[in-house]
Amino acid sequence: RKEVEQDPGPFNVPEGATVAFNCTYSNSASQSFFWYRQDCRKEPKLLMSVYSSGNEDGRFTAQLNRASQYISLLIRDSKLSDSATYLCAARGSSNTGKLIFGQGTTLQVKP
Amino acid sequence: EAGVAQSPRYKIIEKRQSVAFWCNPISGHATLYWYQQILGQGPKLLIQFQNNGVVDDSQLPKDRFSAERLKGVDSTLKIQPAKLEDSAVYLCASTRGRGDYNEQFFGPGTRLTVL
Repeated sequence: RKEVEQDPGPFNVPEGATVAFNCTYSNSASQSFFWYRQDCRKEPKLLMSVYSSGNEDGRFTAQLNRASQYISLLIRDSKLSDSATYLCAARGSSNTGKLIFGQGTTLQVKP
Repeated sequence: EAGVAQSPRYKIIEKRQSVAFWCNPISGHATLYWYQQILGQGPKLLIQFQNNGVVDDSQLPKDRFSAERLKGVDSTLKIQPAKLEDSAVYLCASTRGRGDYNEQFFGPGTRLTVL
């Protein structure tokens, strides 16, 4: 079993829709989690950090469920510009700062 | 503030050849990471440096890959000899420290094609 798993999608949604991605992790000792956005042929860029139960930034909400070992990303009022791959990452308890990434979920927002 | 710099941006080589990638982290960032991202997958850590010391190289294929960060600033990653399965994007990232609250900033990557 992979340490961090995501549904690769693609998720095809119309503009204005609400879409949610889940990400499961296997290491119960993981302390912090991250959602990165990666555009085609570009580097990952940090979208949100999740250290406790959740985080919200405008149209984006991340939630952490430690009991079930998953984090979610909710995007409200999807824009065409939200089309990208969303990478989930977990940081372990070793304090090395090492991130374990999932394979990413592809979102395509259609007009 | 300048971001993480990497070069070259693209490289095409034949199998069994050697190749080297260069990374210059954000100024003042003590921790440097090299990741390998194969098409359709998430980045996988190859090696992590804290200043000029190796913190984690558990997933580095040491029979063919090597990396160094001699002066604790820029770093090079070498593959010798390359295999077809090494075709990937090699991403360099840096953080100020190692703890939980340090954001990792990624460079633009080097896209390697092995023929």
